[in-house]
Amino acid sequence: QVQLQQSGPGLVKPSGTLSLTCAVSGDSISSSNWWSWVRQPPGKGLEWIGKIYHSGSTNYNPSLESRVTMSIDKSKNQFSLKLSSVTAADTAVYYCARDSGYYDIRNSYHTLDLFDYWGQGTLVTVSS
Amino acid sequence: DIVMSQSPDSLAVSLGERATINCKSSQSVLDTSNNKNSLAWYQQKPGQPPKLLIYWASTRESGVPDRFSGSGSGTDFTLTISSLQAEDVALYYCQQYYNSPRTFGQGTKVEIK
Repeated sequence: QVQLQQSGPGLVKPSGTLSLTCAVSGDSISSSNWWSWVRQPPGKGLEWIGKIYHSGSTNYNPSLESRVTMSIDKSKNQFSLKLSSVTAADTAVYYCARDSGYYDIRNSYHTLDLFDYWGQGTLVTVSS
Repeated sequence: DIVMSQSPDSLAVSLGERATINCKSSQSVLDTSNNKNSLAWYQQKPGQPPKLLIYWASTRESGVPDRFSGSGSGTDFTLTISSLQAEDVALYYCQQYYNSPRTFGQGTKVEIK
């Protein structure tokens, strides 16, 4: 069973950098899947932040691209998120998630930009 | 970005009755390469992450009860819970994965009447 376990501080000061890590078990970070981060402000909807592949390739939401950095640590089977210059508007529950996908009849893998496994979520509050 | 709009924002349904949630996209999410709609539905209970229910607009994820069904094509989609159970009280979100950035609807809250 795939499990994603998040860790990181729940309080970040304004103008600081938010840092979260997601440890993966039951799957290899080097599998065919991409790995994503999603956030949800209190009482609001879901926003995709970006995704990373085991090669280090990334794809970020343009709305956050200037402030986001994602990385992968294959030795620890985990991936990480950094969001810089945070403000109160970045207060949210942050989730890590695995992107879904499937193999076709030629055994070629096709990634789907939807999420089949999620971390437990981390409430990050931006406040002094 | 593709804008996803859900209706209603909330609904209350009696146990055993049908619940219907609508989702509309600002442009078609029909992938002509495979003739499938790149539309997913998620269920989110309080304090939990979302759970994938349906993808390709109508394909149930493994383990999802068959009282959940999805339909629609192009820009208009529906999630139906055929016989509402107490454990179905939750927020429901649609999401398009036709192009990047993937985007979600604002959510629909389902409660018991």
